[in-house]
Amino acid sequence: EIVLTQSPATLSLSPGERATLSCRASQSVSSYLAWYQQKPGQAPRLLIYDASNRATGIPARFSGSGSGTDFTLTISSLEAEDFAVYYCQQRSNWPRTFGQGTKVEIK
Amino acid sequence: QVQLVQSGAEVKKPGASVKVSCKASGYTFTSSDINWVRQATGQGLEWMGWINPNSGDTGYAQKFQGRVTMTRDTSISTAYMDLSSLRSEDTAVYYCLRHTVTADYWGQGTLVTVSS
Repeated sequence: EIVLTQSPATLSLSPGERATLSCRASQSVSSYLAWYQQKPGQAPRLLIYDASNRATGIPARFSGSGSGTDFTLTISSLEAEDFAVYYCQQRSNWPRTFGQGTKVEIK
Repeated sequence: QVQLVQSGAEVKKPGASVKVSCKASGYTFTSSDINWVRQATGQGLEWMGWINPNSGDTGYAQKFQGRVTMTRDTSISTAYMDLSSLRSEDTAVYYCLRHTVTADYWGQGTLVTVSS
């Protein structure tokens, strides 16, 4: 199965700062990578699909890039509601594996 | 609007089975797969498998092969996830979800607690 490795495990930033999250795949997933945001007690929310496409209703400050094995989620200017855990998921192969998550916390 | 409504929390003893339901509304149930994902408390997301509600075809993560069965009842637009031989490590919130091209729809989650 494809292993997704996210880094860093925790990102400590202040509101207004830029966040850069990484997801590396153990083998190529082409562009079949999604990013999710999860807040405590809530189901995950799809942010980005196919590596760089924002899901319906997602603000423009969220952007995704990459292909093959290296992917990045960028939040251009953190707002209070963006402090959460972020997961990547590959949709190239079965099983549809997730990364272990990156927590974005308030510094 | 699209909704996936799951059954309520369950408490099971080790070795027992649990069946979680996921009732769909607001779209044609047979038009897209239902996936199942679980999350232990404080842990990450773990994809378990999928079912095609139209054909009944399924695919399971190897970790769950032999212990998980996913079924559906198209007459009531409901998908089911049955997990057997439960152990304490299966304590988690179980989610059903539907992917479309541009969005995901998740159930509210069902907490399954395995405890003697």
